[in-house]
Formats: sequence, C-alpha cells, structure tokens
Amino acid sequence: QKEVEQNSGPLSVPEGAIASLNCTYSDRGSQSFFWYRQYSGKSPELIMFIYSNGDKEDGRFTAQLNKASQYVSLLIRDSQPSDSATYLCAVVEGGTSYGKLTFGQGTILTVHP
Amino acid sequence: DAGITQSPRHKVTETGTPVTLRCHQTENHRYMYWYRQDPGHGLRLIHYSYGVKDTDKGEVSDGYSVSRSKTEDFLLTLESATSSQTSVYFCAISDRSGTWNTEAFFGQGTRLTVV
Repeated sequence: QKEVEQNSGPLSVPEGAIASLNCTYSDRGSQSFFWYRQYSGKSPELIMFIYSNGDKEDGRFTAQLNKASQYVSLLIRDSQPSDSATYLCAVVEGGTSYGKLTFGQGTILTVHP
Repeated sequence: DAGITQSPRHKVTETGTPVTLRCHQTENHRYMYWYRQDPGHGLRLIHYSYGVKDTDKGEVSDGYSVSRSKTEDFLLTLESATSSQTSVYFCAISDRSGTWNTEAFFGQGTRLTVV
C-alpha cells in the first residue's frame, strides 16, 4: 500500500511568520508531487507542483523536494489569515498511473492575526 | 475555474437504496476520477476512467460502480448504500496521463448522508 504521510496538525502560526508543511511518501517510484489547498466546505485547489529535486518558488510559496529522503515540503512565507486552510500533499506514482493521485491526510493551518 | 459540475450537491438517502452521483465536465479532458473524503483519511480514490467505457478500480472501490458512456459524464453508483458510505465525494478531471505533468482539477463535491 503506497502511503503519503503529512505532519500532524493543526499548525498555528502568527501572521507574517513562515509556515512549514511536511510530507513523506513511501513509493520510491513516485515522480510528481502536488500541494493542494482546501478551505472548509470547498474543493481542493492546486497551489504548487514539483517534479525535480530542489526548490520551486511561486510568490510566497516554496515547494521543496528531496527524492533520496522521499520528502516534500511546502513553505509559506509572510503567512496571512487568508492562508488558513487544510493543505493536502498528493503524489503520482511512476509508470502508467493515469494521473491517479495518492493524498496525505492533510494538515490544518491556522494563521492568527 | 475548470468546468466541472457535480450533481446533486447534497443528498440524504436510506440504507440499502441505490444512489447515483453525476460528474459533468465541459473541458473535454480524457481522465476522470471519483474520490471520497473522510476526516483523518484525506482523499481516497474510488474509481477512475481513462476514456469512454474505460474504467478501473481505485483504493476503496468496494460497494461502488462507475460508468462513462460519454467523454463529459462520469457516473458513480452506490449499489446499496451503507452508513459507511456517508462521505463527501469529489470528482476530478485531468487532460494528461504523464507522471510529469498530471494536474487534476476538482468539482465542488457532493455531500452524501446515508441514514
């Protein structure tokens, strides 16, 4: 059973701080990694994806991937109250996967003013 | 927003009755998926489709069946609903199968309660 594990939450940070969200995966053949944000009662929306080892930056968001350690993280700089949501890590396995995503259980982030 | 519509958005049904959820897309994407979301479990794949009449099972397929007779519609059927199938169901679509560029977009979700 391929597994994706996220750091247990909830995570609470003050406004303006850096929020760090972590995810590990069990399948070494995994090739694509995604971070989704989900507001309460809403559907998941894609905020970042990463395929290569290293860092990928997009505005206040940075995704980090370390395939040797089977670890992917999301950093949110200058956190805002509007960033308060559940963050879902998702992985696509290697090979002919038809784009199937395996999700972690999610980490609830609260940014307080 | 990706053109994905799920119906119904909310449904309450009795144990033992059949239930069908519909996912309709206007994006002409080849790949469609049904996930369920439960507290503590994230999203889990039920079934997926890689083309018209081409479907396969996901991680939690027991008690569910699917059909795809047209590119735009993907139906999820609970043959005989049980309380354990109370959940929020999300449909997702993707136009790419490659592991390097697979981005899935989600519908609004259907909240199903089995009493």
